[in-house]
Amino acid sequence: EVQLVESGGGLVQPGGSLRLSCAASGFTFSNYWMSWVRQAPGKGLEWLANIKEDEGEKYYVDSVKGRFTISKDNTKNSMYLQMNGLRAEDTAVYYCVRNFDYWGQGALVTVSS
Amino acid sequence: QTVVTQEPSLTVSPGGTVTLTCASSTGAVTSGYYPNWFQQKPGQAPRALIYSTNNKHSWTPARFSGSLLGGKAALTLSAVQPEDEAEYYCLLLYGGIWVFGGGTKLTVL
Repeated sequence: EVQLVESGGGLVQPGGSLRLSCAASGFTFSNYWMSWVRQAPGKGLEWLANIKEDEGEKYYVDSVKGRFTISKDNTKNSMYLQMNGLRAEDTAVYYCVRNFDYWGQGALVTVSS
Repeated sequence: QTVVTQEPSLTVSPGGTVTLTCASSTGAVTSGYYPNWFQQKPGQAPRALIYSTNNKHSWTPARFSGSLLGGKAALTLSAVQPEDEAEYYCLLLYGGIWVFGGGTKLTVL
């Protein structure tokens, strides 16, 4: 059974940093593109970034480019999102997504003073 | 900035048929945009329905189908069930960058 479990969410002050993790199981992690998608409270879905199977390619939406960094460790079956310079508008549920077929349950990130 | 546009809301009667569309600000949507469709119910994570225009996942009910229609990606629900009431999102690929549509709230009434 494919499982994606996000962790690392929480409350952070504006300008702060947070690192989200996604633990994957039930499939060969090294064979898949992975993405981060977020959803602000009461709003729609926003794709943030993705990473190729071997980390050879990474893409970001303009709104997080230079602030967020996506990475994956195929030896640990894990993906990460390092978020720096957080702003109030980054408050959202962050989803770990495999190839847009399987989604995690999400991690809530709240940016507030 | 690329914008993907969906109908904000649609209403359909149980047993009826409804088509949701997904338009791109850059022009006609083609298979090269690899349209995906997702369903999201309140308090739940999104669930994938359709990938690469018209391909269903193993869990996608047969009443859901994807296509290209009049320069847009389309999701058609046939014989709509009450449990199909949800928010539906499309997703398009722009040269490595993915963009979601704003979502369509489908009411079954």
